[in-house]
Amino acid sequence: DQQVKQNSPSLSVQEGRISILNCDYTNSMFDYFLWYKKYPAEGPTFLISISSIKDKNEDGRFTVFLNKSAKHLSLHIVPSQPGDSAVYFCAARNNAGNMLTFGGGTRLMVKP
Amino acid sequence: DTAVSQTPKYLVTQMGNDKSIKCEQNLGHDTMYWYKQDSKKFLKIMFSYNNKELIINETVPNRFSPKSPDKAHLNLHINSLELGDSAVYFCASSLYSSDTQYFGPGTRLTVL
Repeated sequence: DQQVKQNSPSLSVQEGRISILNCDYTNSMFDYFLWYKKYPAEGPTFLISISSIKDKNEDGRFTVFLNKSAKHLSLHIVPSQPGDSAVYFCAARNNAGNMLTFGGGTRLMVKP
Repeated sequence: DTAVSQTPKYLVTQMGNDKSIKCEQNLGHDTMYWYKQDSKKFLKIMFSYNNKELIINETVPNRFSPKSPDKAHLNLHINSLELGDSAVYFCASSLYSSDTQYFGPGTRLTVL
């Protein structure tokens, strides 16, 4: 039973354009959401997060949007750069503890 | 000066053997985690320790036993290895009060 889903296994974008990565969740107890970026043979690195009391959080080229009613969040990268090519994981935290539940990841390829 | 380190990076062993993976963090965090990334690339929590005490123990076979000698270390010992244990194992750490977890580079375990 996947509580966090990333339905697009891969996404290809031209350099300079916008990348939009999507994530859906089913558990209404999730109150905090994070995006991690992962390069091959490395561990996931924290990118950006958002609390359930907000609908948007921005950090430089990265913006995360949260739509609680739709149980959907998205990560926007503008402008996309070749160095952004990686696997992006969406994660959600249950308000009952520190456990993170991860989605299956989306592989982003930014073409020069 | 790696923040979260794991050893070994690669581990190849035969079925039935016992092996350990070590994890150390120098971030001053009080909570550490073990995740398993299976062949479908899902990251799933296995264990979490806060101040050397077990706080999360997901449905994991008894053959897996975490040990935390101090707050900076969380080792994973696996008895009687099975083919299905082949995966990448990630250690992570955080402050208990924080939602952001920092990951190690992973240990790729292959059971033959």
